[in-house]
Amino acid sequence: EAQVTQNPRYLITVTGKKLTVTCSQNMNHEYMSWYRQDPGLGLRQIYYSMNVEVTDKGDVPEGYKVSRKEKRNFPLILESPSPNQTSLYFCASSHSTGKGDTQYFGPGTRLTVL
Amino acid sequence: EDQVTQSPEALRLQEGESSSLNCSYTVSGLRGLFWYRQDPGKGPEFLFTLYSAGEEKEKERLKATLTKKESFLHITAPKPEDSATYLCAVQESGTSYGKLTFGQGTILTVHP
Repeated sequence: EAQVTQNPRYLITVTGKKLTVTCSQNMNHEYMSWYRQDPGLGLRQIYYSMNVEVTDKGDVPEGYKVSRKEKRNFPLILESPSPNQTSLYFCASSHSTGKGDTQYFGPGTRLTVL
Repeated sequence: EDQVTQSPEALRLQEGESSSLNCSYTVSGLRGLFWYRQDPGKGPEFLFTLYSAGEEKEKERLKATLTKKESFLHITAPKPEDSATYLCAVQESGTSYGKLTFGQGTILTVHP
């Protein structure tokens, strides 16, 4: 089954404790993205990757890091989480059709930073 | 400045009462406009991609249309199971593939 998986699905942590949220896709897609979703602010793109070792900032990259060492994986790293990073996070992947790329989303990771 | 604006923020319909959701965008060039459906606590589910003005796509009770400034998602004779948040997103031409900007969504509630 074609899918985007994220782990963990739920995470409660404390301020300053480094964490990684993993994302994996089995569709051989070139593009992968991370978003956060907050009430009243909608979905906002954090980082995206166009291929292995190629990443770029989205609209809200501060406080986050990403890496793309393998095509299928795109982990999101919070080096020193803060309470304002409490949010619902989504990973997505897509491939180019030459006209545009349709993104397919994972199930989400609900993060709470105390 | 918002590139993508959706209206209304929330819409309550009676079962069978047709209506439309609006997505207006202000990018200089459009590569693609995307509609998604999102159920509470779940990831967005892809519905449609539209590429050029005049294009239309349909799926069951949903029909998406595109002009040079906006897109409409028409819902014909909705059922309670159509209740969800509907998200619109645009990809601007000249930007990298993978870069996508979302509107804030319309929360649709269909009462039986």
